[in-house]
Amino acid sequence: DAKTTQPTSMDCAEGRAANLPCNHSTISGNEYVYWYRQIHSQGPQYIIHGLKNNETNEMASLIITEDRKSSTLILPHATLRDTAVYYCIVRVAGGGSQGNLIFGKGTKLSVKP
Amino acid sequence: EPEVTQTPSHQVTQMGQEVILRCVPISNHLYFYWYRQILGQKVEFLVSFYNNEISEKSEIFDDQFSVERPDGSNFTLKIRSTKLEDSAMYFCASSEWVANNEQFFGPGTRLTVL
Repeated sequence: DAKTTQPTSMDCAEGRAANLPCNHSTISGNEYVYWYRQIHSQGPQYIIHGLKNNETNEMASLIITEDRKSSTLILPHATLRDTAVYYCIVRVAGGGSQGNLIFGKGTKLSVKP
Repeated sequence: EPEVTQTPSHQVTQMGQEVILRCVPISNHLYFYWYRQILGQKVEFLVSFYNNEISEKSEIFDDQFSVERPDGSNFTLKIRSTKLEDSAMYFCASSEWVANNEQFFGPGTRLTVL
């Protein structure tokens, strides 16, 4: 089962920042936080990942709390095309892991005009 | 930008028939995966494949399923005798190596078993 807890759904106004929370209170020291999204039945799309430092790329920012028990994905200027289900996934990177992703139910983000 | 492709986009078959779903991973990637998503449910891991052998498989991936990399580009999922409950979207994914877990997913094949 997924080791994360996310709200079932969220709304965001177009052009505003979307802040998607994720709780992962049982995260281990060698586990990363990954974010993927799935736009209406398309294949999941990688967004960003991090270990303990905040990360930013062209799609989003990832803020991880100091105790690493929760994180927030930030889409700085949400557009209608960002409407999707967002998945927060915790897993080990490397170190002999086989790489499979365990998806939970995610957060359905609806960006409204 | 390189992408994972899958064919066909939609496959309809009769229960008990064999189906082969095809995927072309990104060319320099070494790790390949199949996932499925039953309508309205979570994305579920099926199998991972590296160096021409299965690395890991889930409970779903029973003897009815098999994977193969028949040449340097294709990666296939075969279901020998389809059941109604095999109806789902099947996603192929690939990653450059397992450590970074940045998996690139294909658009999926919708399998409908009648």
